[in-house]
Amino acid sequence: RKEVEQDPGPFNVPEGATVAFNCTYSNSASQSFFWYRQDCRKEPKLLMSVYSSGNEDGRFTAQLNRASQYISLLIRDSKLSDSATYLCVVNVLGDTGRRALTFGSGTRLQVQP
Amino acid sequence: NAGVTQTPKFQVLKTGQSMTLQCAQDMNHEYMSWYRQDPGMGLRLIHYSVGAGITDQGEVPNGYNVSRSTTEDFPLRLLSAAPSQTSVYFCASSPFRSLRTENQPQHFGDGTRLSIL
Repeated sequence: RKEVEQDPGPFNVPEGATVAFNCTYSNSASQSFFWYRQDCRKEPKLLMSVYSSGNEDGRFTAQLNRASQYISLLIRDSKLSDSATYLCVVNVLGDTGRRALTFGSGTRLQVQP
Repeated sequence: NAGVTQTPKFQVLKTGQSMTLQCAQDMNHEYMSWYRQDPGMGLRLIHYSVGAGITDQGEVPNGYNVSRSTTEDFPLRLLSAAPSQTSVYFCASSPFRSLRTENQPQHFGDGTRLSIL
């Protein structure tokens, strides 16, 4: 089982739609959570961190459920410029006791006019 | 601001050749890492380092070596290139002041597109 799992999509939505991405992680000792955005043939860029109480940044809302080991990202009022791959990222404890970030495979979003 | 700089941006190798992918950061970040990204696979961690002189294996370390002699540089060496190592390689860095530090995002380089024939 992958440590971080995401629905690969693609999600095809019209402009203005609300879309939700889900992510599950397997290591209950994980402490830090992020959503990254990656445009085609570009490097990943941090979209937002995910806090235990949930957090919002404009049209984007992130939620964390530690009991279910589940993270979500909600995008409201989708724009064409939101088209990208969204990566769920978890800080996990490695075999040597040191922490490293583990990426999900990503969910591709295509917003259509 | 240079941030994370990777060189080269593109490289074609023959099977069996060796090479080093360079990564440098000017943000005084303690944590550096190398990932490879293959279609449909997301980013997979190859090796990482929490500071000069300290390296650890990630998810897919076989066929790669790293060293961290300075805070700034974290080169990735392919010992004997194989077609399975054709991929896009990303280097990343972040502040990492303790094992309990939370919510430290990573800064990525532009990537190196490597093809092994």
